[in-house]
Amino acid sequence: ETGVTQTPRHLVMGMTNKKSLKCEQHLGHNAMYWYKQSAKKPLELMFVYSLEERVENNSVPSRFSPECPNSSHLFLHLHTLQPEDSALYLCASSPGGGGTDAQLFFGSGTQLSVL
Amino acid sequence: GQNIDQPTEMTATEGAIVQINCTYQTSGFNGLFWYQQHAGEAPTFLSYNVLDGLEEKGRFSSFLSRSKGYSYLLLKELQMKDSASYLCAVRDRSDSWGKLQFGAGTQVVVTP
Repeated sequence: ETGVTQTPRHLVMGMTNKKSLKCEQHLGHNAMYWYKQSAKKPLELMFVYSLEERVENNSVPSRFSPECPNSSHLFLHLHTLQPEDSALYLCASSPGGGGTDAQLFFGSGTQLSVL
Repeated sequence: GQNIDQPTEMTATEGAIVQINCTYQTSGFNGLFWYQQHAGEAPTFLSYNVLDGLEEKGRFSSFLSRSKGYSYLLLKELQMKDSASYLCAVRDRSDSWGKLQFGAGTQVVVTP
């Protein structure tokens, strides 16, 4: 257990569906992240929230919409996705700060398949 | 641009030693992390290097040379449970939060 919980673990959706991924951290961390992991590719940073404020948005298509209602919860709202969006979506948190406080604590991810 | 390279796959036998190399070219450097990820599970932290030299933690050691843009993760006395993907990640900024640049990962296969 890393202290970061993601739901659902698996999600299959059609291109016209709307769904949301949920992440909750029980570590008292100040920063939360969404990463996309595709096979044989590096993890891609999508969004960063620091103290509930979005501080990074890496040119992610608008069909992905993040929400951070408080420092413990992070959502990723999905709508009109494309088949190439199929991937493992990882949530992470970090204490915020330098040195090993930059360490990321990951959830187990949501394996998303878009049909 | 950012570039972090590591081998795609390595195979070794139980009880042996494996060294996973990572080279990086980033706009800045504020630390290098190694993570282990078993299939279907969360990546978990293994080690952190910010100064040159070797950090040892049980069967795992990590080395850093900042001048060469190079790190390695050394896994000793391999066990079957060490079969996993190993991710090299560099923190290239000194923000108050930890944005990391990741390599594609090295899949280590441990055989009996």
